[in-house]
Amino acid sequence: DAGVTQSPTHLIKTRGQQVTLRCSPKSGHDTVSWYQQALGQGPQFIFQYYEEEERQRGNFPDRFSGHQFPNYSSELNVNALLLGDSALYLCASSLQGVRRTGELFFGEGSRLTVL
Amino acid sequence: AQSVAQPEDQVNVAEGNPLTVKCTYSVSGNPYLFWYVQYPNRGLQFLLKYITGDNLVKGSYGFEAEFNKSQTSFHLKKPSALVSDSALYFCAVREATDKLIFGTGTRLQVFP
Repeated sequence: DAGVTQSPTHLIKTRGQQVTLRCSPKSGHDTVSWYQQALGQGPQFIFQYYEEEERQRGNFPDRFSGHQFPNYSSELNVNALLLGDSALYLCASSLQGVRRTGELFFGEGSRLTVL
Repeated sequence: AQSVAQPEDQVNVAEGNPLTVKCTYSVSGNPYLFWYVQYPNRGLQFLLKYITGDNLVKGSYGFEAEFNKSQTSFHLKKPSALVSDSALYFCAVREATDKLIFGTGTRLQVFP
């Protein structure tokens, strides 16, 4: 049973560039959430996707956008990168509906460094 | 707004001794509380959760947590610490739609 997979694991970008991060949820899960974890801090909620729509959004600017595909996988896009966007980006999957258990399953993360 | 607080940045304990990692919460309504562990350069791993029922919750790797409504606490415990338990521990509270609000984390260091 494959867990949550994320790619790439590491990447380096320069200020002003754009980045796309990818996530495949745990098998059978239909909901994907994205979190940003800056160095030395707890993860911060970016947004959540369910049924291919953004269902909830945290306190992040519009430079952060996402998408969910029919197979439940998801992308996180960040435009006009700033130095402060350097962080570990975590994808988490979960299940809605009657089989919902409540906990999130996290991937290993994508570490973004902006120079 | 719902929140959790982890008052200790770091907890040090000798191997074989009991450990406690503290968490307090502030929520409206019934709290849904979680503990996750993060090893260096890794994602978060689920340890345990409290939704309802018994105040003592048992989880993975021998960890347990005690829910205390009067003290609004959800402390993580283990009777006998292992060096391999050394990691970063996060307490979290769940809002609607499974959004988690995390604490700032507590680094657990277990010394041989």
